[in-house]
Amino acid sequence: QKEVEQNSGPLSVPEGAIASLNCTYSDRGSQSFFWYRQYSGKSPELIMFIYSNGDKEDGRFTAQLNKASQYVSLLIRDSQPSDSATYLCAVKTERNNRLAFGKGNQVVVIP
Amino acid sequence: GAVVSQHPSWVICKSGTSVKIECRSLDFQATTMFWYRQFPKQSLMLMATSNEGSKATYEQGVEKDKFLINHASLTLSTLTVTSAHPEDSSFYICSAKERERLSWTQYFGPGTRLLVL
Repeated sequence: QKEVEQNSGPLSVPEGAIASLNCTYSDRGSQSFFWYRQYSGKSPELIMFIYSNGDKEDGRFTAQLNKASQYVSLLIRDSQPSDSATYLCAVKTERNNRLAFGKGNQVVVIP
Repeated sequence: GAVVSQHPSWVICKSGTSVKIECRSLDFQATTMFWYRQFPKQSLMLMATSNEGSKATYEQGVEKDKFLINHASLTLSTLTVTSAHPEDSSFYICSAKERERLSWTQYFGPGTRLLVL
């Protein structure tokens, strides 16, 4: 079982809609969770982190964490064409001294 | 704050030569830096974890004699690709974990594109 899984294929959303991304993780002891955005040809940039169960909002982004179900999600409200990118879920596992990354979900916002 | 730089941003070299890539944390001290490689349309692949003042920890399948890592200070880590070959052409990205924070937030550098001819 992979440490972090992002299984959805490319997500196309119309401009102004909500984009929803999901991520599951295998290490139940994980405590820290991150979402990074990576534009094509660029390196990842941190957009959100969350440590506690529940929702955390930052502008148009909301991260949701459910430790019991071992998933973390990212909502992008009022999606803009500039949100078109690959979104990487990352988890600090207890087993290793590093972040484990999912393979990413591509989001395409259609004007 | 939390800015990480990389130099060079891109490099083209002949097969057999060595290439050094620098990763610097500009406004914070980083006890740990990470080196990743990313091929086109693929996910990040962790190559090694670099701790200041100690030997790097390499991921399985990464040749430590080919990818030399030095983390001599709290703000600088270097990756040297020795005897580079065309298959080493990739996007190399470093990230740094801030020393003063207990969290595991990693900040990425802008990456270095390596093309080996």
